[in-house]
Amino acid sequence: RKEVEQDPGPFNVPEGATVAFNCTYSNSASQSFFWYRQDCRKEPKLLMSVYSSGNEDGRFTAQLNRASQYISLLIRDSKLSDSATYLCVVNIGGNQFYFGTGTSLTVIP
Amino acid sequence: GAGVSQSPSNKVTEKGKDVELRCDPISGHTALYWYRQSLGQGLEFLIYFQGNSAPDKSGLPSDRFSAERTGGSVSTLTIQRTQQEDSAVYLCASSFRDSNTEAFFGQGTRLTVV
Repeated sequence: RKEVEQDPGPFNVPEGATVAFNCTYSNSASQSFFWYRQDCRKEPKLLMSVYSSGNEDGRFTAQLNRASQYISLLIRDSKLSDSATYLCVVNIGGNQFYFGTGTSLTVIP
Repeated sequence: GAGVSQSPSNKVTEKGKDVELRCDPISGHTALYWYRQSLGQGLEFLIYFQGNSAPDKSGLPSDRFSAERTGGSVSTLTIQRTQQEDSAVYLCASSFRDSNTEAFFGQGTRLTVV
């Protein structure tokens, strides 16, 4: 079983739409959680960390559900520039990061 | 440097040749990671260093792959007798020891084996 699983998509949404991605992780001892964004032919970059109480950064909201072992990312009012692959990342402690395979998002004009 | 630096950015090599990929992490970052990403695929974990030691080598795909890190800084990933299936982007990342901090990625080395 993979440590982190994501729906690969692709998600094709119109500008202005709200879109949500989910990610599940298998290790209940996981300690920290992140969403990364990867543009085509570029390296992954941190989008936001995910805190237990949930956190928001502008149009982006991240949630963590430890009981069900899933993480979510909500993007409101989608922009064309949001088109990218979104990677769910879990750190199990000891500095071991596990990446999901990514969810592809295309925002359509 | 300001970020994680990888070299070369692109490498084309003939099948059977050995290649060395270099990663220079962010100064002060004790943890260093190597990942591989094939076209359209997710990140495949290869190896992780804490300081100069490698607690987890489980992702190395075969004994043709090896990596070392010296001085707690620069790391080299070596692929011997390259095969066409080794073609991919090799990404290096570094982070502080604290597991709650993010990992920062270099821009990767695009390896093409012909």
